[in-house]
Amino acid sequence: GAVVSQHPSRVICKSGTSVKIECRSLDFQATTMFWYRQFPKQSLMLMATSNEGSKATYEQGVEKDKFLINHASLTLSTLTVTSAHPEDSSFYICSAKFRRNSYEQYFGPGTRLTVT
Amino acid sequence: GQQLNQSPQSMFIQEGEDVSMNCTSSSIFNTWLWYKQDPGEGPVLLIALYKAGELTSNGRLTAQFGITRKDSFLNISASIPSDVGIYFCAGQLPSDSGGSNYKLTFGKGTLLTVNP
Repeated sequence: GAVVSQHPSRVICKSGTSVKIECRSLDFQATTMFWYRQFPKQSLMLMATSNEGSKATYEQGVEKDKFLINHASLTLSTLTVTSAHPEDSSFYICSAKFRRNSYEQYFGPGTRLTVT
Repeated sequence: GQQLNQSPQSMFIQEGEDVSMNCTSSSIFNTWLWYKQDPGEGPVLLIALYKAGELTSNGRLTAQFGITRKDSFLNISASIPSDVGIYFCAGQLPSDSGGSNYKLTFGKGTLLTVNP
């Protein structure tokens, strides 16, 4: 149980275009989903917390207009990187929690974004 | 922000050896979680700890929630080649210390290499 998928696993896009990454909880309803960014050989950096049906809460320094998050249902959250630049190239990982009073987060397999 | 100090940064061991890594903080944490990340993948939850002093096992893995609530360790016994990866500790701060919305604070990871 507690399987989270992400799509696509890899994406290459040109500078200035937008890219959408999907995060789905496959066998549970996720009360909260999280989006992280990870640079090579570094830890996970939380970008935003997403609750179904409400606006995402962004971490300090993360541009909400650049990283659009939509959590339309209890099993799907999307991250759209708008007007992507090469410095946005990174490994983006989502996670989900399904127990209301639990802190356990289950992670997706990640999406490797390369902006050329 | 709050920091978790994870050590060691990296370990090189022989197959069959036992491994120990730990996380410490100057802050009290409500929850400690241990994750393993393989290259190019999302982290996988290994063990979750919720009570001070709690000792929990998952196969060859054992983790403990420090009695002061400021530290946790993870032990791996009789290591095998597939134990290779990056191990992250993660903690949940109490809400009156800045923790909110079930966010986790991550350590910087311990890179484990197992020589066959």
